[in-house]
Amino acid sequence: GESVGLHLPTLSVQEGDNSIINCAYSNSASDYFIWYKQESGKGPQFIIDIRSNMDKRQGQRVTVLLNKTVKHLSLQIAATQPGDSAVYFCAENVGTGRRALTFGSGTRLQVQP
Amino acid sequence: EAQVTQNPRYLITVTGKKLTVTCSQNMNHEYMSWYRQDPGLGLRQIYYSMNVEVTDKGDVPEGYKVSRKEKRNFPLILESPSPNQTSLYFCAIRNRGTDTQYFGPGTRLTVL
Repeated sequence: GESVGLHLPTLSVQEGDNSIINCAYSNSASDYFIWYKQESGKGPQFIIDIRSNMDKRQGQRVTVLLNKTVKHLSLQIAATQPGDSAVYFCAENVGTGRRALTFGSGTRLQVQP
Repeated sequence: EAQVTQNPRYLITVTGKKLTVTCSQNMNHEYMSWYRQDPGLGLRQIYYSMNVEVTDKGDVPEGYKVSRKEKRNFPLILESPSPNQTSLYFCAIRNRGTDTQYFGPGTRLTVL
C-alpha cells in the first residue's frame, strides 16, 4: 500500500475500545474543519465535519469536538473496529476565496483484535 | 456518492518527459483541485479550478500546469517532470455552496 507518512504518531487500541485522535490547528480564522480517514492505497475519505460556530457534532460512531480557545480538534470513535485502522487527518478551511484545505500531518490508528 | 477517477494510478517516468494525469468527476461539481501528498508534509494544494476556464495556483504550483476546458475533467500536466515531483497526487472535488472536498483514489508518480 501507499505510505502517507514515515513517522506518524500512532494510536494503538483494542477492538471495542473507544479511540480519541487529537489535532491542533493553526489558523484562528479557520471556520470549517473536516476529519478524513485514509486507508493504505486509497484517497482521503470524508468522515465528519464541523463549523466554527459549533463545539460538538456527532455522526455514526464518531464525534468531533472543537475547542476554539486552544485551537484543538478531536475525533472520537466509539467501539473501535479493525476496519477503523487507518491514518486520520484533520483539515481546516480558512475563509478565503479558494477554500483550500490545510491538512495536519495525520495520526495512524492501529486496532488490535 | 461523489465519484472521482484518476488515471493512471501508477506511473514511473524519467526526467523531462512530459506527462498528464487525468481527473474526471461524474457529479457536475464546479470546484476541482489537485493536491500532492508527501511524507512529513501532508497534503498540499497545487492548483484549483472554480469553474470551466477558471484556474488558479494553490500553495505549490511550480512545475505544474492545469486546464479546465469542460466541467468534468481537470488534468494535471507536468511539462518537464523532475525527481522532486515524485509524490502521491490526489484530485478533489467540491460542490458549490459546500466546503466538503471529496478525493480521488490517487496517482503514485515516480520520476527517475
